[in-house]
Order: sequence, then structure tokens, then C-alpha cells
Amino acid sequence: DAGVTQSPTHLIKTRGQQVTLRCSPKSGHDTVSWYQQALGQGPQFIFQYYEEEERQRGNFPDRFSGHQFPNYSSELNVNALLLGDSALYLCASSLLPGNDNEQFFGPGTRLTVL
Amino acid sequence: AQKITQTQPGMFVQEKEAVTLDCTYDTSDPSYGLFWYKQPSSGEMIFLIYQGSYDQQNATEGRYSLNFQKARKSANLVISASQLGDSAMYFCAMRERYNQGGKLIFGQGTELSVKP
Repeated sequence: DAGVTQSPTHLIKTRGQQVTLRCSPKSGHDTVSWYQQALGQGPQFIFQYYEEEERQRGNFPDRFSGHQFPNYSSELNVNALLLGDSALYLCASSLLPGNDNEQFFGPGTRLTVL
Repeated sequence: AQKITQTQPGMFVQEKEAVTLDCTYDTSDPSYGLFWYKQPSSGEMIFLIYQGSYDQQNATEGRYSLNFQKARKSANLVISASQLGDSAMYFCAMRERYNQGGKLIFGQGTELSVKP
């Protein structure tokens, strides 16, 4: 049973560029959440997708956008990259609706913006 | 205001000893869940233990137990018989009722180092 997978593992971009990160949820899960984790910090919630729609959004600018596909996989897009966007981007999947289940996290994509 | 506070940036423990990692939280929601995650240097967040606000007993999962003191709004993680592989970052997180199935709010983390 595959867990949450993310690609790519590492990415280096320059300021102003655009980036797309990908996530495949754990088998049987239909909800994907994205988190940004800056160095030395705890993860910060970006947004969550369910039924191909954004259900919740954290305090992130519109440069951060996403998409969920019919197979429940998801993409995170960041436009006009800033140095401050350098971080580990974590994807988590869960099953909705349901009990207060935990979110299963992927290994993350480490983005460096130069 | 910080919703999750972890006051210990770093902790050291001798192998085979027990260690307590502190976590306090702030919420006005009567229904919430508290989580602990382990993050090794590889980056993946590994779920350890969960405590619901209405659970009568403290949660336990193998060597992990959660010391839940609701009145004090604390949810400390106790790791018994520490192992070298326990060296990692540990994060406390909370999910409020209106966010059922939704976002987790994380603390700043505690870096645990287990000495041989």
C-alpha cells in the first residue's frame, strides 16, 4: 500500500520563476492538504483540496494556487517566486468525511529559491 | 496569539531513559484534537499519537504516551526507554472542531537528541 508520494524531491529556482509541485495521496484517501515549512519552523497550512475544490486556505498570497485531479492527486503552484518561498513543502492526505483521523504526510519537496 | 507553544527548542536524553516534551495549547473550541509528529532529518512527518479533547484517558502508543491535562491546556509527550533512533524534531499540533478533517496547527518543534 503506497503512502503519500511527492515529486520532485528537491528543486532549485530563481526569483520570479514559477514552480509546480506534485502529490499523490495515500491509497483510498480523497483529501490533500499542503503545508510550507520554513527552516527551523513548524509547518504552516497553505490550503486543502477535496472533490477537486479548495476547501480551506491558510494565510498565503494568491501566488500560491493549487489543483486536485479526479484521481485525487494534487499540484501546488507558486508564481513569481521570492527568496522567502524557500522551504520544505509537505503534502498530507486524509479521508473525508470521517472521524478525527490523522493526516499522512509525504516526504516533502525541498524548494530553494536563489 | 500562538495556538501551540513548545517551549523547549532542544532536549537531550540518555539512551534507555524517559523524556517529556512539553506542549501547551490555546483554543476556545470545546472540541479539538491534539497530535504529536516526529520529523527525522529526511523531512517526512511521522504520526505518533493522538488525543481527543473528550477522551477520558491519556493516549498511549507503544513507548509513546500523552500526558493530557485539559485544565492546564497541556499535552506533553512522554517517550519511555529512549532509543538512538528517537533523535529527531518533534512537533505538537492541534485541530479544532470546525476544522474537522482539516488543517493542523503546529508548534515550533523540539529537537530531541538521544545520547548513547
